[in-house]
Amino acid sequence: DAGVIQSPRHEVTEMGQEVTLRCKPISGHDYLFWYRQTMMRGLELLIYFNNNVPIDDSGMPEDRFSAKMPNASFSTLKIQPSEPRDSAVYFCASSSRGQGSSSYNEQFFGPGTRLTVL
Amino acid sequence: DQQVKQNSPSLSVQEGRISILNCDYTNSMFDYFLWYKKYPAEGPTFLISISSIKDKNEDGRFTVFLNKSAKHLSLHIVPSQPGDSAVYFCAARQNSGGSNYKLTFGKGTLLTVNP
Repeated sequence: DAGVIQSPRHEVTEMGQEVTLRCKPISGHDYLFWYRQTMMRGLELLIYFNNNVPIDDSGMPEDRFSAKMPNASFSTLKIQPSEPRDSAVYFCASSSRGQGSSSYNEQFFGPGTRLTVL
Repeated sequence: DQQVKQNSPSLSVQEGRISILNCDYTNSMFDYFLWYKKYPAEGPTFLISISSIKDKNEDGRFTVFLNKSAKHLSLHIVPSQPGDSAVYFCAARQNSGGSNYKLTFGKGTLLTVNP
């Protein structure tokens, strides 16, 4: 398996522009997570889906952020309009339940998208 | 408020010695703890975990210790190798029904193992 795939790997945009980050989870995984990593706040969970349904979006910073999962193999995180304080590394992760307690909650992360908003 | 705290931003050890990374938590409802390792330009990868009903879990050179009364866990790496140089994240899960897959991460500790 190719693992979790994220695109683009790097994104540089100007304040006010729309940004769309993409994620393809590992095939067969039914949980998908979006995280944001910054120096100040570390690794924060933004939102997660189970079977394509958003379960917890309490970490989404504000209405400028939205996430969708139209099918089991694709998810997007959109920022509109983007602001300089959104600059961070955004990670997507996926996991699957029911593989035994040793892997329960093990999340597999993608390589991340480094977003810079000028 | 940080529910999972890694108070040491960085740690430097000599190859062959023991590395001890520490993590403190405040939420007594956490029931499962994990350590992730992250290399530059890569996503975090799962390393080792421990359930709150245990106080120790060992996997090769890696051992995690849990002290529930102190709300403290630690990761021991023995012997440390240069390839262990990475950022280590402590994470915790609160079993809360529908959200029981939500993990809370610490800010990470950068471990450098010197040859």
